[in-house]
Amino acid sequence: GAGVSQSPRYKVAKRGQDVALRCDPISGHVSLFWYQQALGQGPEFLTYFQNEAQLDKSGLPSDRFFAERPEGSVSTLKIQRTQQEDSAVYLCATTDPGSPPYEQYFGPGTRLTVT
Amino acid sequence: DAKTTQPPSMDCAEGRAANLPCNHSTISGNEYVYWYRQIHSQGPQYIIHGLKNNETNEMASLIITEDRKSSTLILPHATLRDTAVYYCIVTNNTNAGKSTFGDGTTLTVKP
Repeated sequence: GAGVSQSPRYKVAKRGQDVALRCDPISGHVSLFWYQQALGQGPEFLTYFQNEAQLDKSGLPSDRFFAERPEGSVSTLKIQRTQQEDSAVYLCATTDPGSPPYEQYFGPGTRLTVT
Repeated sequence: DAKTTQPPSMDCAEGRAANLPCNHSTISGNEYVYWYRQIHSQGPQYIIHGLKNNETNEMASLIITEDRKSSTLILPHATLRDTAVYYCIVTNNTNAGKSTFGDGTTLTVKP
């Protein structure tokens, strides 16, 4: 079946612009995660949804970062007033918490470059 | 989630077994060990997981020490397509799998 998809795959933004990154989960996966991956490093947790509820946003680096999942399916990560340090790959992952082994299925990521 | 320690890089000859170690000395009794790998320009991909018993699937084997403080991922016959970054993670699954990734091990399989 279809996996996790993300769009756009690549985004170039000028410093100060707002961006919106989209994640389409696997159908039926109620848990959704956003990660930020800097070049040469492992993914770092940003936020977690269960259905439409944002249960953990402890990893969001600043109040410029905002995520939503209004209908419990598609999620959007928004970054306001982008800064150069926001340049990274943003990964979305989903899982079915009712079905072991609870592995996360990752999308291909969106590579954000802030100039 | 417990912290893990992995070597930053390893090489392996094509066709040979690749043994990737991971230390997780602070693992708790209810925490699982998961392995993922990330091929260049793709998202991480689940490989295998275990609690305390050794596990095997079509991709790899996972050997967990009796004290659970370390584990080894084994790719029995490495191919060039196994070149990737391998991440070892421990998680108790209470947050539906929220995972703390380290920097992983870059495995390079050479012909």
